[in-house]
Amino acid sequence: QTVVTQEPSFSVSPGGTVTLTCGLSSGSVSTSHYPSWYRQTPGQAPRTLIYSTNSRSSGVPDRLSGSILGNKAALTITGAQADDESDYYCVLWMGSGVWVFGGGTKLTVL
Amino acid sequence: QVQLQESGPGLVKPSETLSLTCTVSGGSVTIGSYHWNWIRQPPGKALEWIACLSYSGSTNFNPSLKSRVTISVGASENQFSLKLSSVTAADTAVYYCARARGFPVFAFEIWGQGTMVTASS
Repeated sequence: QTVVTQEPSFSVSPGGTVTLTCGLSSGSVSTSHYPSWYRQTPGQAPRTLIYSTNSRSSGVPDRLSGSILGNKAALTITGAQADDESDYYCVLWMGSGVWVFGGGTKLTVL
Repeated sequence: QVQLQESGPGLVKPSETLSLTCTVSGGSVTIGSYHWNWIRQPPGKALEWIACLSYSGSTNFNPSLKSRVTISVGASENQFSLKLSSVTAADTAVYYCARARGFPVFAFEIWGQGTMVTASS
């Protein structure tokens, strides 16, 4: 069973930069997994941030960016703001019509 | 503007079948190159992809749930449904429907607001 790994939690100072990662329990993440990233606040549905590794969804500011770093997908937030405090999920396309979510990262801005 | 809305019972007895419907406003599940999905989130836990129904009618499933899941076009072409059999307390979750794009995007782009389903006697 494929496991997609994310840091359980991360902390960033206001105005700072943070990079969240998304890996595989076995193997490397590549652009062929079409990594996508979602933000979720309590009680709300997820919101799409990044798709196809590094494409921003409509309305997403350019201080959020996606990339491949080493063997993982990454979401970098620069100039962190209070309203960036959320849960962040990555999703990988595993082929054959199957998607797998990561366990999510709880980002704290303080 | 396409919108998705989940509906169905909020309480299901253990061993029974959970049935949910997603209504697509402003679109059809059989027109366009989209993939229609069910995703769930147990309280305090991560999101979990359940199943996908493609515009072509093909289906795909999370291997861990495949034996219990049915996904299909609903009563009308702007609806699709989820059936999850033999539910247990572990199936208690918020269930979301979501529209995804295929190649070259492969991402969930529109989400419903979610509906809470509790499996309890």
